Amino acid sequence: GEDVEQSLFLSVREGDSSVINCTYTDSSSTYLYWYKQEPGAGLQLLTYIFSNMDMKQDQRLTVLLNKKDKHLSLRIADTQTGDSAIYFCAEIMFSGGYNKLIFGAGTRLAVHP
Amino acid sequence: DVKVTQSSRYLVKRTGEKVFLECVQDMDHENMFWYRQDPGLGLRLIYFSYDVKMKEKGDIPEGYSVSREKKERFSLILESASTNQTSMYLCASSLGTVEAFFGQGTRLTVV
Repeated sequence: GEDVEQSLFLSVREGDSSVINCTYTDSSSTYLYWYKQEPGAGLQLLTYIFSNMDMKQDQRLTVLLNKKDKHLSLRIADTQTGDSAIYFCAEIMFSGGYNKLIFGAGTRLAVHP
Repeated sequence: DVKVTQSSRYLVKRTGEKVFLECVQDMDHENMFWYRQDPGLGLRLIYFSYDVKMKEKGDIPEGYSVSREKKERFSLILESASTNQTSMYLCASSLGTVEAFFGQGTRLTVV
């Protein structure tokens, strides 16, 4: 079935690293995404990774992809209070003749002093 | 910058009312989507459209319909609102598969 799973809550201390994990189901997904939703706002694309990559780094963000285990993770270095948000993992799934973007339930990241 | 605009941030409607949620994008995107967001369930796809006058059911289309008469506008219609349709509704548009751009969301309460 179509299922993207992620834990619902993560709490970290300011300055520490945060690691948000996700498992997905469609091994043929070409793109995998991390979206960020700040309070009262819509979703914003944070980063994405092509399925032929193992890792992507963008400033404080590192995305790791393990295709064998269908596991995706997002690491935020030096986490700041402004990183407090809900983070959604998503995959592109080809279904019924169309590409659909399937989201996980979202991980709420709380950053405390 | 791509802009996806949803007509209302907050709506309160009565059970049984017909409700229209409007979404407009300004980047000539082919693809438009309606999701609902509920705590612990993430985003669930209601309907999507890949072209004008074209629509496809998502994962939870029951109780909803859509209209895409113009490329820039994608409307979500609740034919007869019910309390279990109280939710946050998010519209998105995309050109391809790399990035979807989201509106700010409409929080709908059905009383």
